[in-house]
Amino acid sequence: GENVEQHPSTLSVQEGDSAVIKCTYSDSASNYFPWYKQELGKGPQLIIDIRSNVGEKKDQRIAVTLNKTAKHFSLHITETQPEDSAVYFCAATPSNSNSGYALNFGKGTSLLVTP
Amino acid sequence: ETGVTQTPRHLVMGMTNKKSLKCEQHLGHNAMYWYKQSAKKPLELMFVYSLEERVENNSVPSRFSPECPNSSHLFLHLHTLQPEDSALYLCASSQEGQNYNEQFFGPGTRLTVL
Repeated sequence: GENVEQHPSTLSVQEGDSAVIKCTYSDSASNYFPWYKQELGKGPQLIIDIRSNVGEKKDQRIAVTLNKTAKHFSLHITETQPEDSAVYFCAATPSNSNSGYALNFGKGTSLLVTP
Repeated sequence: ETGVTQTPRHLVMGMTNKKSLKCEQHLGHNAMYWYKQSAKKPLELMFVYSLEERVENNSVPSRFSPECPNSSHLFLHLHTLQPEDSALYLCASSQEGQNYNEQFFGPGTRLTVL
């Protein structure tokens, strides 16, 4: 089955700096890679996603890059702000899912942005 | 708000109790999910319902019993749970029919089993 590894587990940056979170996946058939942000007391919320036919996608201060050959994808947050502090999860689609809608998640990265 | 509500938000139960978690989505979606979120572990998919039919069951113990009476509501019935079942239980929904759509999550139910 799909295995998604996420690093680092914790990340602390100063406000204004960039933050990068990396994920690797094992299933070469995976074709959808979302990133979710989870704030305290809330459920995860999609912040950006990328499909396998694209190498990079950007939305304001966040961007995601995908390297299908190496089977890894990364989240980049620039000009970080304290409100970016949260737990971030990467995910990938497993090819062995019966439903076709299941996602395998990484363990999460706890990002702290200090003023 | 994401359009997915869950009740209760917190639940404490003994191992012999029977309780139910409720999820409701107001987004017109036709697929709903239960996930278990434990500390230091990835979100674990438990069940998927598509068009009110269960399409995925990830080897979840029978002490967890899902029910999907219609496309807007999803329940998770709990009985004779174990302390290791304590976790945050998240419900999500999405729109089936397209190639992988965003899953919208509810705020979760924090379950503690004594």
